[in-house]
Amino acid sequence: QKEVEQNSGPLSVPEGAIASLNCTYSDRGSQSFFWYRQYSGKSPELIMFIYSNGDKEDGRFTAQLNKASQYVSLLIRDSQPSDSATYLCAVTPGGGSNYKLTFGKGTLLTVNP
Amino acid sequence: DTEVTQTPKHLVMGMTNKKSLKCEQHMGHRAMYWYKQKAKKPPELMFVYSYEKLSINESVPSRFSPECPNSSLLNLHLHALQPEDSALYLCASSQAGTEALRGYTFGSGTRLTVV
Repeated sequence: QKEVEQNSGPLSVPEGAIASLNCTYSDRGSQSFFWYRQYSGKSPELIMFIYSNGDKEDGRFTAQLNKASQYVSLLIRDSQPSDSATYLCAVTPGGGSNYKLTFGKGTLLTVNP
Repeated sequence: DTEVTQTPKHLVMGMTNKKSLKCEQHMGHRAMYWYKQKAKKPPELMFVYSYEKLSINESVPSRFSPECPNSSLLNLHLHALQPEDSALYLCASSQAGTEALRGYTFGSGTRLTVV
């Protein structure tokens, strides 16, 4: 059973702080890694994807991937109340379909004004 | 506005009804997906179409029947559903092949209630 685990949360940070969201995965052959944001009652929205070791930055968001440790994280700098949502980590499996995403259970982030 | 459009946004149906969910995208994507999401759970893959052919069926009960009439449209036909099938049904699309590894775009979903 290939698994994706996220820190259970909920995570609460003050406005302007850095929010750190973590994800580990069991399939060492996993190829691509995604962070989706999902507001309550809405559909998931792709924030970032990463497939190489290291950091990838996009505005206030930084994704970090460490394949040796099977670990991917998302940092949100200068957190805003509008960042309050559930963040889903998703992984494509190794050795097979490019089309299957395995999602973690999500971490609920609350940014307090 | 999402580039993947799903209709209807809400649907209430009885257990003996037949209904269809529709999904349309105009991004030139050649892979389309149906996901099911229960409250406070992650999305679960149901079906994948690649180049209008069914590529993946995740052992979904036959009361759910997908259809891909062309590269822009994806339907999910529903028949004799159970109350436990009540969920948010999400359509998504992506590039096909290795480009699918860049992730996909979800529609806004259809919230289905079976009574």
